[in-house]
Amino acid sequence: QVLVVESGGGVVQPGTSLRLSCGTSGFTFSGFGMHWVRQTPGKGLEWVAGISYDGSQKRYLDSVKGRLTISRDNSKSTVYLEMNSLRAEDTAVYYCAKGYDAGGNWHVDSWGRGTLVTVST
Amino acid sequence: DIVMTQSPDSLAVSLGERATINCRSSQSLFYSNNNKNHLAWYQQKPGQPPKLLIYWSSTRESGVPDRFSGGGSETDFTLTISGLQAEDVAVYFCHQYYTTPWTFGQGTKVEIK
Repeated sequence: QVLVVESGGGVVQPGTSLRLSCGTSGFTFSGFGMHWVRQTPGKGLEWVAGISYDGSQKRYLDSVKGRLTISRDNSKSTVYLEMNSLRAEDTAVYYCAKGYDAGGNWHVDSWGRGTLVTVST
Repeated sequence: DIVMTQSPDSLAVSLGERATINCRSSQSLFYSNNNKNHLAWYQQKPGQPPKLLIYWSSTRESGVPDRFSGGGSETDFTLTISGLQAEDVAVYFCHQYYTTPWTFGQGTKVEIK
C-alpha cells in the first residue's frame, strides 16, 4: 500500500523560509517521479514542482522559480520542498504526490493528506 | 499555460441517475508520440486529498468502480458517473499533464438531488 506523508507546514512571516518533507513507503521510491501540488479555496489545485526519479530533472511553476526548490533523497525515500522568500500568495495546503512514471512526466496516482502553510504577519 | 475549464460548476443528481461532467482544454492534449490524451480525473471528498479515478482520458484506475468512465479526445472530455451513489458526493477535477505547468480544472461539485 502506497503511503505518502507530508510534514513541516506551519505559520511563517512573509520573506522567511520553510522546508516541507514528504516521507513515503509501499513502493520503490527511486523508480518514480514525485511532485508537489498546492490547493487554496481561491485558486483551486495548482501544480508547484516535479522531480524525476533520480533528481536529474526538475520543473517548476513560473511563479515559484528561484524561491522554491524540490529535491529528493532516495536513500530515505523522501522528497523535499525548500521554500524561501515566502509570500502571502504561497499560503495553501501543500500535497506531495507520487508520479505514475520515472520521469515525472505523467499524472500522479497517489497523494498525501497535505500540510498547511500559512504566510502571514 | 493550458487552461482547463469544467462545466457545470455544480450539479445535483438523483441516486441511481447519471452525472456527466465536461472539461475543455485551451489546446489539444493528444500526444501523437504515444497516441494518448494526457488528461486525468480526480475525486476529492471534504477533508481528503484528491483520488485518481481516470488517466489517459479513459483508463480507469485500479479499484475504481466501473460506474466511473471517461471519454473524449484532444480538447473536449467527459467524466460520467453511471448510477450515482451516495458515496460519490464530492468535487471532481480534470487535470492536464500534457505539458508543464500542469493545470487543473476549477472543479465540479456533485450532490444528491
